[in-house]
Amino acid sequence: DAGVTQSPTHLIKTRGQHVTLRCSPISGHKSVSWYQQVLGQGPQFIFQYYEKEERGRGNFPDRFSARQFPNYSSELNVNALLLGDSALYLCASSFGGENTEAFFGQGTRLTVV
Amino acid sequence: GQNIDQPTEMTATEGAIVQINCTYQTSGFNGLFWYQQHAGEAPTFLSYNVLDGLEEKGRFSSFLSRSKGYSYLLLKELQMKDSASYLCAVHDYKLSFGAGTTVTVRA
Repeated sequence: DAGVTQSPTHLIKTRGQHVTLRCSPISGHKSVSWYQQVLGQGPQFIFQYYEKEERGRGNFPDRFSARQFPNYSSELNVNALLLGDSALYLCASSFGGENTEAFFGQGTRLTVV
Repeated sequence: GQNIDQPTEMTATEGAIVQINCTYQTSGFNGLFWYQQHAGEAPTFLSYNVLDGLEEKGRFSSFLSRSKGYSYLLLKELQMKDSASYLCAVHDYKLSFGAGTTVTVRA
């Protein structure tokens, strides 16, 4: 049974460019969340989607956007990249609801130069 | 706002026991997770506490006191492979993480 899959695993972009990161949740999971993890810190919440609706948004600028598709996969888009956007971007999937475990993908390592 | 505190680093000897404390002040609370994260890898689930008390899972145990805003993760019979970062996370529809505690196990 496949876990949460993210693509690409590594990415190098130039300042000002945009990037799209992709996530496929575990089969049967309807909730996808995105987190940004800067080196040496814990993951920071960016977005959560449940049943294709945005359920929550963290303290990130409007350059960050996301969506969830009918098959529950998700994309995270970041426009006008800054050096400070360099981080590990993690996707987590869960069934949804209040007390459900989140399973993380292996992450996408984004480097902005 | 969310405030989740855990020690930055801990060192212990192989075979020993280590306790990682986590204190939290958050606007919402559905439960508390502990994750293990090896360098360059994704966090992996260790434990989840919803009610007060101790949850035991093999060599790992986790404790929660909701009234005190306090949890700890207990790692017993430490092995070299336990060297990793341990993340405390409060769940309220999303996960709010602490900065992580880097545990180094020495021979």
